[in-house]
Amino acid sequence: AQSVTQLGSHVSVSEGALVLLRCNYSSSVPPYLFWYVQYPNQGLQLLLKYTTGATLVKGINGFEAEFKKSETSFHLTKPSAHMSDAAEYFCAVTSTGANSKLTFGKGITLSVRP
Amino acid sequence: DGGITQSPKYLFRKEGQNVTLSCEQNLNHDAMYWYRQDPGQGLRLIYYSQIVNDFQKGDIAEGYSVSREKKESFPLTVTSAQKNPTAFYLCASSIGTTTNEKLFFGSGTQLSVL
Repeated sequence: AQSVTQLGSHVSVSEGALVLLRCNYSSSVPPYLFWYVQYPNQGLQLLLKYTTGATLVKGINGFEAEFKKSETSFHLTKPSAHMSDAAEYFCAVTSTGANSKLTFGKGITLSVRP
Repeated sequence: DGGITQSPKYLFRKEGQNVTLSCEQNLNHDAMYWYRQDPGQGLRLIYYSQIVNDFQKGDIAEGYSVSREKKESFPLTVTSAQKNPTAFYLCASSIGTTTNEKLFFGSGTQLSVL
């Protein structure tokens, strides 16, 4: 079985500061990893995903994430936060294994202070 | 514009009543999904369909039913057997049927109990 852990429910940063949202996963087979963003009262949209190959993945809106197998992590970062980044962020994991399914973390809310 | 349309945006259910949430996509995607979102709990899969006239239960299918009579439509009925229906419901679709596909989401329906 696969699982995702997003520690904490809320992160607050100042505008212009580094954004770091943590995601750890559990998977017995090579994982595929995703970050989705949800703006208030909207559906989710894909920020980035890791399948195979380069472990540093660049996504939309200046976000990137690094797959670290040894740490079972896929943390999301952005060098400089913007007010428009305020949203809820979900990490998700799946695999190519039999009976695989997409499992979402509980999400983390990012607030950006002026 | 191509996308996923969910309606209504807000829905109220009386006790003992069945209600149906609409989901339509014009992306020509094969797979469609229904997720339930509760605050602080992430997304949980209710049902999914990979082909017309076929669908599979997700993790929390009890008290829900679906149909897939057309490729573009995947309505969800919340039955009176669902004792805690208040939640935000998200419909999604993907081009293919493997779990590592990018999901495209609608903007959701908020269901509340009167």
